[in-house]
Amino acid sequence: GQQLNQSPQSMFIQEGEDVSMNCTSSSIFNTWLWYKQDPGEGPVLLIALYKAGELTSNGRLTAQFGITRKDSFLNISASIPSDVGIYFCAGTHGSSNTGKLIFGQGTTLQVKP
Amino acid sequence: EAGVTQSPTHLIKTRGQQATLRCSPISGHTSVYWYQQALGLGLQFLLWYDEGEERNRGNFPPRFSGRQFPNYSSELNVNALELEDSALYLCASSRDNSPLHFGNGTRLTVT
Repeated sequence: GQQLNQSPQSMFIQEGEDVSMNCTSSSIFNTWLWYKQDPGEGPVLLIALYKAGELTSNGRLTAQFGITRKDSFLNISASIPSDVGIYFCAGTHGSSNTGKLIFGQGTTLQVKP
Repeated sequence: EAGVTQSPTHLIKTRGQQATLRCSPISGHTSVYWYQQALGLGLQFLLWYDEGEERNRGNFPPRFSGRQFPNYSSELNVNALELEDSALYLCASSRDNSPLHFGNGTRLTVT
């Protein structure tokens, strides 16, 4: 089945540092979404991207829909301890709605105060 | 506005038994999705229900089934449980192809 390659798998950074993670696919995606999952909770939507080249910010978070429609990145600026969690990219592809959201394997972020 | 609610939060079953997981979507959302998140793995698509009908299913055996009720709530049933079915089962809802909003999941443990 379709796969999203998300990297890095994990990151351990110092508070205040900037973070960057990305997702790539071998096929074209029509939508890119970024979610964050805290322990014991479900994923929470951070940013949704709908057009190639789209750059969207949500506070300290910025995400971009790649021009080729095969990749997306998420940046977090000036990280804080509450940024700790697992970040997932997700996307949909195809011209019709199949309801199937494909997820990357996640990036585990740890922030050292 | 209440989010997606799932019950129970934890469920322990033995191999061969059946498990039933329940989900209430956000008010106004007509689509419900089920995902399996095994330990250390990403989310795998299980089922999609919309307006009471199963619209799509992922690459899972038929013993994974479900339904959506007229009030748009949903059940996921897993028959003949196997040890590898142990996972966090996440329900999400949406309306008109809007992004999915997830519940906090049901942790199913099969012993």
